[in-house]
Amino acid sequence: ELKVEQNPLFLSMQEGKNYTIYCNYSTTSDRLYWYRQDPGKSLESLFVLLSNGAVKQEGRLMASLDTKARLSTLHITAAVHDLSATYFCAAFDSGTYKYIFGTGTRLKVLA
Amino acid sequence: DAGVIQSPRHEVTEMGQEVTLRCKPISGHNSLFWYRQTMMRGLELLIYFNNNVPIDDSGMPEDRFSAKMPNASFSTLKIQPSEPRDSAVYFCASSFTGASYGYTFGSGTRLTVV
Repeated sequence: ELKVEQNPLFLSMQEGKNYTIYCNYSTTSDRLYWYRQDPGKSLESLFVLLSNGAVKQEGRLMASLDTKARLSTLHITAAVHDLSATYFCAAFDSGTYKYIFGTGTRLKVLA
Repeated sequence: DAGVIQSPRHEVTEMGQEVTLRCKPISGHNSLFWYRQTMMRGLELLIYFNNNVPIDDSGMPEDRFSAKMPNASFSTLKIQPSEPRDSAVYFCASSFTGASYGYTFGSGTRLTVV
């Protein structure tokens, strides 16, 4: 059974700093998704990563996938307050045809 | 495309009452998912349908919960009778099986049972 772990669960960081959120998954998966959720809002898709070594970037966020290590990272560069949100990763379980979600990382960027 | 449409956006009901949440998936998507989100338990998958057929309902917490998908464009999640611990945000999501993209989520229904 595919399990997905994210860490840290909570992250408070200063504006301008860099940080990385980690997403580990327990068995083989060929698709990894990152979502963002603002307080009181729905989940919004950010990136899909489909192959080993895949890297996607948008603005101050960069996601990467290492299928051999079963690890995806979401790197935040020079954080700004607008990035404050909860970030979820989700790995695709080809046995059940479901995405399995991590617990989420609640990010707070302090001015 | 209007995206995944859920109704109502907010629902406040008294304990013991029946509650029905509704979802219209994106046209052409053949998989539909119901999730529940709370602070304590995070995001939980309740049930998912593929081609209108329930595939996995192992996340449905109790017999008080039921879900139907009578056609490709409509699904309901019903709670009868409702209890205060059912208070949560309920999300519906849809996707196309086998596609490389993930789920598209609706705006959610915030349910409060008093």
